[in-house]
Amino acid sequence: DVQMTQSPSSLSASVGDRVTITCRASQGIGNYLAWYQQKPGKVPELLIYGASTLQPGVPSRFSGSASGTEFTLTISSLQSEDVATYYCQKYNGSPLTFGGGTKVEIK
Amino acid sequence: QVQLVQSGAELKKPGASVKVSCKASGYYFSDYYIHWVRQAPGRGLEWMGWINPKSDGTDYAQKFQGRVTMTSDTSFTTAYIELSRLTSDDTAIYYCARNRRRDSFAETVDLWGQGTLVTVSS
Repeated sequence: DVQMTQSPSSLSASVGDRVTITCRASQGIGNYLAWYQQKPGKVPELLIYGASTLQPGVPSRFSGSASGTEFTLTISSLQSEDVATYYCQKYNGSPLTFGGGTKVEIK
Repeated sequence: QVQLVQSGAELKKPGASVKVSCKASGYYFSDYYIHWVRQAPGRGLEWMGWINPKSDGTDYAQKFQGRVTMTSDTSFTTAYIELSRLTSDDTAIYYCARNRRRDSFAETVDLWGQGTLVTVSS
């Protein structure tokens, strides 16, 4: 099975900072990569699919990119409401594996 | 209103089975796969499998093969997951979630149930 490795597992940044989270697939998955945000005590929400397509309603400060088997979620200017754990998920076939998650906190 | 509403919290003993329901409303139930995802306390998301309500086709993560059954009832627009031979490691919040696209292959999900806490304890 394809393994999805996220890094870092946690980070602390200041409001307004640019934040980057990486997800690496153990083999090629095309652009079948999604990002989810899960705020504390809440249900996950879809942010990005197709590696870079923003789900409607998601703020434009979120963006996604891909380079081979490495995928990146970027928050261009971190806001206090972005405190959450972020997960990547591959969906090019079973199993639809999630990454381990990246917890984002405000410094 | 488009939503998924799950059944309430469950407390089960080791070795028992649990069945969680997920009632869909506000959209045509048969057109969208339903996925099940669980999250152990303080842990990450774990994909368990999906069911296609139109065909009753299923796909389970290998980890749960032989222990999980996903079903659906289109008359009641409800999906179910049953997990047997429970252990303490199965203590988690169980989520149902709808496939993002209708009449599509299993992919991302864009609508989640509120989650059902299943606690396994003697």
